[in-house]
Amino acid sequence: QVQLVQSGAEVKKPGASVKVSCKASGYTFTGHYMHWVRQAPGQGPEWMGWINPNSGDTKSAQKFQGRVTMTRDTSISTAYMELSRLRSDDTAVYFCARVILGAVGLDYWGQGTLVTVSS
Amino acid sequence: ENVLTQSPGTVSLSPGERATLSCRASQSVSSSYLAWYQQKPGQAPRLLIYDATSRATAVPDRFSGSGSGTDFTLTISRLEPEDSAVYYCQQYGSLGLTFGGGTKVAIK
Repeated sequence: QVQLVQSGAEVKKPGASVKVSCKASGYTFTGHYMHWVRQAPGQGPEWMGWINPNSGDTKSAQKFQGRVTMTRDTSISTAYMELSRLRSDDTAVYFCARVILGAVGLDYWGQGTLVTVSS
Repeated sequence: ENVLTQSPGTVSLSPGERATLSCRASQSVSSSYLAWYQQKPGQAPRLLIYDATSRATAVPDRFSGSGSGTDFTLTISRLEPEDSAVYYCQQYGSLGLTFGGGTKVAIK
């Protein structure tokens, strides 16, 4: 069965960086784009960007350009999202999510990683 | 950026009633690249509908999507108690994905 398992919760100080991992299993990792979405407390989801695990190509939302880095390691079917220069308003649950094949929609999601930014 | 506006903000209905949720885009959504999600507290969003009208795997047939261009609708034909959740629409365009603000469905 398809599973996306993310790394554990993080607490960071303002100005630091955080790197979240997302390990995929149960399908061909390079066959589906992976997206990163975050959700601040009490807010709706916010798209951050995607990575093509096959080529390594990425696209990020304008808001995060210059601060977010998405990478992957195909040997261990794992995607990574690193966010730098953290601010308090980056406190959120960060999700990885797989794109459904041949369509638009995120059909499998990780369990989420809570990142808390606090001095 | 294509802004998605969902309405109503909250709807409260009884089991067995019909819920109609609206999602209006500020620009036309190309090729009906629109999806709907259900999210319950403490959980990740769950894909219900993709490409505006296609039901995702294992989604009950009481959920249906319609619309094109800038106006889309999610209909829950006969509400069940477990349908209590927040519902989000999401579109894909040249600048990436955007999500609507959500509609909360409460079951009386």
